[in-house]
Amino acid sequence: DIQMTQSPSSLSASVGDRVTITCRASQDINNYLAWYQQKPGKAPELLIYAASILQSGVPSRFSGSGSGTDFTLTVSSLQHEDVATYYCQNYSDPPGITFGPGTKVEIK
Amino acid sequence: EVQLVQSGAEVKKPGESLRISCKGSGYTFTNNWINWVRQMPGKDLEWMGRIDPSDSYTNYSPSFQGHVTMSADKSISTAYLHWSSLKASDTAMYYCVRQLHHLLSGNKHKWFDPWGQGTLVTVSS
Repeated sequence: DIQMTQSPSSLSASVGDRVTITCRASQDINNYLAWYQQKPGKAPELLIYAASILQSGVPSRFSGSGSGTDFTLTVSSLQHEDVATYYCQNYSDPPGITFGPGTKVEIK
Repeated sequence: EVQLVQSGAEVKKPGESLRISCKGSGYTFTNNWINWVRQMPGKDLEWMGRIDPSDSYTNYSPSFQGHVTMSADKSISTAYLHWSSLKASDTAMYYCVRQLHHLLSGNKHKWFDPWGQGTLVTVSS
């Protein structure tokens, strides 16, 4: 299986700050990567697919980049409603679908 | 609106059987795989496997093979996740999610959207 890691595991930032989350794959996954946002007590929701394509309806302050093994999710100006855990997902399947361990984002 | 609506929370005893459901609406149910994802309390997301509702072909994660069974009834646009003998360690939130597939720049991309609201399964004596 392809292993996914994320850093940091958690972060605290102020409203308006630029926030960057990193996701790394254990082998080349091209751009078969998605990002999901899970707010407390809710199901995950799709933010970005194909590493950089913003899902319809997602605020433009979210962006994704990367290819191969290294990917980033950036929130250009953090808002209160962005408090959530963010997961990257490898869908270069086969060999199988795997998720990163998540990054918890809080407001300072 | 595309939706996946899951059955309600369950409380079961170890050794009991259970089937939870996931009903799709707003799209052609047989056009997309349905995946199942487990989230244990306070933990991250684990892919369990998927089913093709058009022919009920399944593909399980090795971690879940033999522990659960996925099925689907395309006549009522519903997918199921079944346990024959629950364990306390099965206590978790279970999500169903549609897997989309699109060609982008010649490559087949298969991301997840939308997710069901989740079914909380609690197994306790």
